[in-house]
Amino acid sequence: DIQMTQSPSSLSASVGDTVTITCRASQGIRNHLAWLQQKPGKAPKSLIYAASSLQSGVPSKFSGSGSGTDFTLTISSLQPEDFATYYCQNNDGYPLTFGGGTKVEIK
Amino acid sequence: EVQLVESGGGLVQPGGSLRLSCAASGFTFSDHYMDWVRQVPGKGLEWIGRIRNKAKSYTTEYAASVKGRFTISREEATNSLYLQMNSLKPEDTAVYYCARASSDSSGYYYFHYWGRGTLVTVSS
Repeated sequence: DIQMTQSPSSLSASVGDTVTITCRASQGIRNHLAWLQQKPGKAPKSLIYAASSLQSGVPSKFSGSGSGTDFTLTISSLQPEDFATYYCQNNDGYPLTFGGGTKVEIK
Repeated sequence: EVQLVESGGGLVQPGGSLRLSCAASGFTFSDHYMDWVRQVPGKGLEWIGRIRNKAKSYTTEYAASVKGRFTISREEATNSLYLQMNSLKPEDTAVYYCARASSDSSGYYYFHYWGRGTLVTVSS
């Protein structure tokens, strides 16, 4: 199985900051990576697919990049509604696997 | 508007069975791959399995942790997705989400829409 490792596991940031989350796959997955957001007590929300494509309705403040084994999610101009846990997800074959999550908290 | 509504969760004893349902609306159900994903409260996400669409003959994939115990099926007439869970273990305790997948330009299917989840508790 492909292991997905996210860093950091948590971070504190202020409203207006730009943050970057990294995700590393244990083997190359081309660009078959997704990013999801989850708020406490809520279902996940899909943000990005194919490493850098925004799902419909997702604001352009979210951006993804990377290919192979190393990927990043950047969130610009953090707003209160962006404080959540973010997961990367391997979509290159089965089983589909998730990173452990990065909790973005308010400083 | 795409809607996915799970039901059927509850308390079940170890070794027991439970069937979860997911009612889909707002899209052409037969066109889409559907997934089940679970989450132990306070922990991360775990993919359970997938059922492909009519064009792919409704074939399925499963995570090793549930293969042979869980079965995913779908009923096109009622736009419903199911997860039959047998031989349940305490470690199956989780919130179970159904998700609709959408394909990218290269034909890979990604989670797109999610239901709100239903809690399954396996305990004596």
